[in-house]
Amino acid sequence: EPEVTQTPSHQVTQMGQEVILRCVPISNHLYFYWYRQILGQKVEFLVSFYNNEISEKSEIFDDQFSVERPDGSNFTLKIRSTKLEDSAMYFCASSEAPGQGGEQYFGPGTRLTVT
Amino acid sequence: ILNVEQSPQSLHVQEGDSTNFTCSFPSSNFYALHWYRWETAKSPEALFVMTLNGDEKKKGRISATLNTKEGYSYLYIKGSQPEDSATYLCAFRGSQGNLIFGKGTKLSVKP
Repeated sequence: EPEVTQTPSHQVTQMGQEVILRCVPISNHLYFYWYRQILGQKVEFLVSFYNNEISEKSEIFDDQFSVERPDGSNFTLKIRSTKLEDSAMYFCASSEAPGQGGEQYFGPGTRLTVT
Repeated sequence: ILNVEQSPQSLHVQEGDSTNFTCSFPSSNFYALHWYRWETAKSPEALFVMTLNGDEKKKGRISATLNTKEGYSYLYIKGSQPEDSATYLCAFRGSQGNLIFGKGTKLSVKP
């Protein structure tokens, strides 16, 4: 069964460093998403991406964040200068379409720890 | 601010018990309500996507109902098994496509 994959599973970085989190969405999906969950809190939406551009983003997704689909398979989230409060589990998701039946399939997450 | 609430926060039941939990969500600008089952260190697994008021969906021993007018959904598990132990997340989807999640209900089923 096709699945969303994410690498790495755990990333430890120092404050101020850049990190890139990688995702391989399901191959025939067209819509891609990043969410995150800070420990003990709700899963929060960061950004959605379609047709090589951002379609929606939350207040969390500020200038420190960017997304890219560098080739036909990968979807990346970059954090330019990490802060302690960026420590969270980051989930990638993909869907065929966001219409009423648009199920979003999630990857297993990357745990980012900023020290 | 759109808010999704789930209750209870956690639940401990014995194997064989039936259980249910609640998700409440905004009743305006509703497009869909998603339920996920999430085990630690695994991907959240999609259970149901519900779109119509009065929808009832079933997958094995798990079923869900939807009331969009009053803004709630129930998830039922019949005859809980230890392998049902997980966090059950609901998420509201409005017109923009992104999901707004509740905090989840953590279910523990003791053998």
